[in-house]
Amino acid sequence: GAGVSQSPSNKVTEKGKDVELRCDPISGHTALYWYRQSLGQGLEFLIYFQGNSAPDKSGLPSDRFSAERTGGSVSTLTIQRTQQEDSAVYLCASSQRQRNEKLFFGSGTQLSVL
Amino acid sequence: TQLLEQSPQFLSIQEGENLTVYCNSSSVFSSLQWYRQEPGEGPVLLVTVVTGGEVKKLKRLTFQFGDARKDSSLHITAAQPGDTGLYLCAGADTNAGKSTFGDGTTLTVKP
Repeated sequence: GAGVSQSPSNKVTEKGKDVELRCDPISGHTALYWYRQSLGQGLEFLIYFQGNSAPDKSGLPSDRFSAERTGGSVSTLTIQRTQQEDSAVYLCASSQRQRNEKLFFGSGTQLSVL
Repeated sequence: TQLLEQSPQFLSIQEGENLTVYCNSSSVFSSLQWYRQEPGEGPVLLVTVVTGGEVKKLKRLTFQFGDARKDSSLHITAAQPGDTGLYLCAGADTNAGKSTFGDGTTLTVKP
């Protein structure tokens, strides 16, 4: 596609429920990143994919968070048993190969846990 | 852990004024990027600096990379309301495969 697409754009859920966030990267971009952003703050790294493998999962806050990427394209970030502190904007970005100096971001998913 | 500190955190100025935003780290990065983010959108890349001491200009924006590749600055001349947004610096480590972001500077330019 022309840009990075994320869905849903907004998600409201109840504490304890599981959620899935989807990211469609730019076609041909082999690297994919998930970041989390609290209101007006910087970006917190979560996980990075090169192809379908995840060389760096160091940013995942707990074992409730997991992510996968299939076919070297679409990625899904899953949060199990959501907590109120999980509320944030979840941003996905892609880049060509290991050119992580140029990230293209989606518009993010605003997650609200009530 | 590589950390990037940005200052100031908030900046509110009048149209036509000049401003400088700083991005500092104790770590060396292979390159450094500046992004601008508007509400409800993802960050958009403004510039990448690679060489120590490098200066790049983008219209009224001037970006500088420190000689030691640990810090950077963004200078805006004659700011306009359209410059309003969250400015983020990010350090890239090609060995690690990920970018580390600062906490951002929220700029408001009043007409």
